[in-house]
Amino acid sequence: DTEVTQTPKHLVMGMTNKKSLKCEQHMGHRAMYWYKQKAKKPPELMFVYSYEKLSINESVPSRFSPECPNSSLLNLHLHALQPEDSALYLCASSQGPGGSGYTFGSGTRLTVV
Amino acid sequence: GQNIDQPTEMTATEGAIVQINCTYQTSGFNGLFWYQQHAGEAPTFLSYNVLDGLEEKGRFSSFLSRSKGYSYLLLKELQMKDSASYLCAVTNAGNMLTFGGGTRLMVKP
Repeated sequence: DTEVTQTPKHLVMGMTNKKSLKCEQHMGHRAMYWYKQKAKKPPELMFVYSYEKLSINESVPSRFSPECPNSSLLNLHLHALQPEDSALYLCASSQGPGGSGYTFGSGTRLTVV
Repeated sequence: GQNIDQPTEMTATEGAIVQINCTYQTSGFNGLFWYQQHAGEAPTFLSYNVLDGLEEKGRFSSFLSRSKGYSYLLLKELQMKDSASYLCAVTNAGNMLTFGGGTRLMVKP
């Protein structure tokens, strides 16, 4: 298995809703990432988990809450989002230092109404 | 910090060759990636360079010069399906991947 799987592929949520994005990989990668990508912009790093511990939080608002239940799973919990949070949310994983094997999931297209 | 520059847009003709340049300034360089991204889809891995020189993979080649902070992606025998954004990204020792703004390539008949 050489894939990063993200669910759901599409999500529409209201500003008062609570939802979660899920990411899974079975490549034995020990680093996992969340990126946010707006239209016609490059992906922007949100969070980095290394060996299941949060190592980097790029000043992301608290309405985004990451969770790494185990080495294969990464969640992003969403609460009280704003319409400007609508974007493509990408999960990625890598083997470790050096960036080798950096693999992206297919993304979740999030729309906040 | 990191600074990565690439042209915003390029246009080329089907069957031709196009070179997309990327320059970077970074601390703790640990490799450079090129990704292809079609609108609304996730980035797809094209190449990874960590040492100086040319890496060739079919119609795609990528070159790196660490001393110059420079890379290029070369696409040969262009096809219409190559119309996409091409993202240059640099990783540091902390394994953070930072992207350039991307180059939108339009291939015309």
